[in-house]
Amino acid sequence: NAGVTQTPKFQVLKTGQSMTLQCAQDMNHEYMSWYRQDPGMGLRLIHYSVGAGITDQGEVPNGYNVSRSTTEDFPLRLLSAAPSQTSVYFCASRGGFHYGYTFGSGTRLTVV
Amino acid sequence: SQQGEEDPQALSIQEGENATMNCSYKTSINNLQWYRQNSGRGLVHLILIRSNEREKHSGRLRVTLDTSKKSSSLLITASRAADTASYFCATGSYSGGGADGLTFGKGTHLIIQP
Repeated sequence: NAGVTQTPKFQVLKTGQSMTLQCAQDMNHEYMSWYRQDPGMGLRLIHYSVGAGITDQGEVPNGYNVSRSTTEDFPLRLLSAAPSQTSVYFCASRGGFHYGYTFGSGTRLTVV
Repeated sequence: SQQGEEDPQALSIQEGENATMNCSYKTSINNLQWYRQNSGRGLVHLILIRSNEREKHSGRLRVTLDTSKKSSSLLITASRAADTASYFCATGSYSGGGADGLTFGKGTHLIIQP
């Protein structure tokens, strides 16, 4: 099925652990983004990419790294997990500026 | 930072009634988008309206854009229980907003009473 696939769906980490959230899309979209969603805060952009090899920081990039080696994949790395990173993470892709985003189903992350 | 702000924050109506949500923004935009999010799910893109358009329709959805008032409205006609969800507006700007030029509001939570 065409779309954005995120794994895992749920994850519990201990403070200080690192992990990678996976995101893959099969629509040949150039634009991909990572958002976090917290109650009362709406969606906040973490990192963004306009194509393979090109990434940029969003509103809340600290504690996260990304890379874009292929058009399809855009993994998000948590370097040293903190309780403040407890959130729901969404990956999204779109075909260009005047297109809507297709969102993945999300990863619910808890850091204890 | 938030650009689009939805109003009301919550809305409860009877099934079959029309639901109207509003979005206001502060700076100039190139497009405005509306998304729906069902509880525990990802966002679903509903409609995009460009800054040179005033109205767009998609099924039971009607979106208007008034750039002079910096506002947009989303009308859902003949509401159904399945329309219960949170609705977000997102403003797209070449020169502002997030690094990808898109800024989301905090959403309107719509409840359709049977």
